[in-house]
Amino acid sequence: DVKVTQSSRYLVKRTGEKVFLECVQDMDHENMFWYRQDPGLGLRLIYFSYDVKMKEKGDIPEGYSVSREKKERFSLILESASTNQTSMYLCASSTRNPDEKLFFGSGTQLSVL
Amino acid sequence: QKEVEQNSGPLSVPEGAIASLNCTYSDRGSQSFFWYRQYSGKSPELIMSIYSNGDKEDGRFTAQLNKASQYVSLLIRDSQPSDSATYLCAVTRNNDMRFGAGTRLTVKP
Repeated sequence: DVKVTQSSRYLVKRTGEKVFLECVQDMDHENMFWYRQDPGLGLRLIYFSYDVKMKEKGDIPEGYSVSREKKERFSLILESASTNQTSMYLCASSTRNPDEKLFFGSGTQLSVL
Repeated sequence: QKEVEQNSGPLSVPEGAIASLNCTYSDRGSQSFFWYRQYSGKSPELIMSIYSNGDKEDGRFTAQLNKASQYVSLLIRDSQPSDSATYLCAVTRNNDMRFGAGTRLTVKP
């Protein structure tokens, strides 16, 4: 089975802290994604990557950056966490075929106090 | 205009009825279309995918795609209480996938 693992299920951070959310997939997928999910807003794409060291902005990249140094790992970085970044963060991966589904991690509920 | 729009609901149907979920998208270059189901506190899981105009059936689920109208729908026949969840429409173009806000469905026994 494909596995997408997010490093933390729950995370509590303080305003201004630098936050790292890690995601690892074990199926050699080319594409990896970071979404955030808020009530009534669905999943909004923050960043995605279609290859090592490649990244593309999604719909809401402000306040975030990403890193993909290895194919299996895609990190989301909050440079200076703010309370409006409190959210559920979902990582996903897929093959390069646009007909293929996404495989999701179990999510990280981040609270910024 | 949002790229993918869904009626936010909530939608409530009695057990055994047909639930109809709708989605429109703005990018005519969109290639593939998906319906995901998400139970509370869980990650989304794929129910149906559809790539060409027309209907696609899988058990109690039927996805319908009309590219000219930029419209995707999901019909759930013989709805069960276990179908109560949020249903997310998703659309891909090239390498990225965009989601709608989701429709919350409640099936009442």
